Parts: sequence; structure tokens; C-alpha cells
Amino acid sequence: EAQVTQNPRYLITVTGKKLTVTCSQNMNHEYMSWYRQDPGLGLRQIYYSMNVEVTDKGDVPEGYKVSRKEKRNFPLILESPSPNQTSLYFCASSPTSGIHTDTQYFGPGTRLTVL
Amino acid sequence: ILNVEQSPQSLHVQEGDSTNFTCSFPSSNFYALHWYRWETAKSPEALFVMTLNGDEKKKGRISATLNTKEGYSYLYIKGSQPEDSATYLCASPTNSGNTPLVFGKGTRLSVIA
Repeated sequence: EAQVTQNPRYLITVTGKKLTVTCSQNMNHEYMSWYRQDPGLGLRQIYYSMNVEVTDKGDVPEGYKVSRKEKRNFPLILESPSPNQTSLYFCASSPTSGIHTDTQYFGPGTRLTVL
Repeated sequence: ILNVEQSPQSLHVQEGDSTNFTCSFPSSNFYALHWYRWETAKSPEALFVMTLNGDEKKKGRISATLNTKEGYSYLYIKGSQPEDSATYLCASPTNSGNTPLVFGKGTRLSVIA
């Protein structure tokens, strides 16, 4: 089944404890992206990747890192999480980069709480 | 930063009512307009991608229109059902060179049986 998977789905952690949220897609998509969703705000892009080893900042990159060593995986790294990073995180992918009509396929979301 | 606005923020309708809501975006440098449907506890799912002025797309009871000259799109739901309850998001790419989408804050629809 074609899908985007994220792990973990739920995570409660403490300030300063490094964590990684994994994202994987099995559709051979070029483009992958991370968003966060907060109450009263739209989906805001954190980082995106147009292909392997190509990543770029979105609108709210502060406090996050990403890597794209393989086409299928795009992990989100929080080196030193803080409470303001408590949010619902979505990973998404789309077939090609640079095609503005490409639909994005979203993962199931990761609800992160930083105490 | 591209500004994508949606209204209303939330909407409550009775089962069987038809409804519509709006997405507005800058009309200059327009490339595409995406609509997504996001049910609670699920992932956003694509409804439509629209590119041409005057475009109209339909999927079952849901349809959308696009006016690129004035910078708006309408989403219509005919004969709303409880299963239509969701947040409807619109989004537009920032430019033609890559595909980051800028999302509106969404319209949250509740259909009361």
C-alpha cells in the first residue's frame, strides 16, 4: 500500500532531551516536507527536501534539523526540544519537485509534548 | 510570504443544507490552488488541484471554483452529511521553482444530524 509513515505517533518528552521523528514513504517521491500544526494556525512548513541530499528551510525552521540521505526517509531532529515545540507534526511527500500541481500525501501525524 | 486566507474559520450546518466557504490568495504570480480535507485524528487528504481561471472541479457532492484574476476559490458542499464534518484547507505554492505549499488556517465544518 502506498503510504507515508511516521514514528512515533505520540511522544511525551522533557526539555533538552534530543529526539528524532522518523518519516518514510514507499512511493519513490522526490519531494518531502515537514509541517507543524498548532491551534489557530495553519499548517506551517518546517523544512522540505527536493531530493536526496537537498534540504531547505521552510517558514519555521528554528530548533529543528533534517536530513535526506535516502530518497524514502526524511527524519526530523529536535536537538534540544523546548515546550514551544509541543505540536502536531506532519510529514508529507509528493512525486516531483518543482511541479506546483503535485498533490501532497500526508503521514498520520506525530503528537509531541515537551514538558 | 504568500498569504492564503480562509473564511469562515468555522461553520455549523444542519444535515441536508448546502454550504460554501472561501479561500483567497494573491492574484499575482498564481500557479495553483490546492484543496485538502482533514478529518479529526486523520491526515489531510487532497480534494482538488486547480490551475486555470474559471476552473471548476467536482467530486461527488463537493465542488470547487477558481477565480485567479480576483484571487479566490470557493468550495461548495451540496446536501451536507455528518461525514462531511472536517477541516477544509486550501494551499498555494510559493513559486513555480519548487513546491512548498502555503496553507490557509482552514475552515472547520460541523454538520449536525
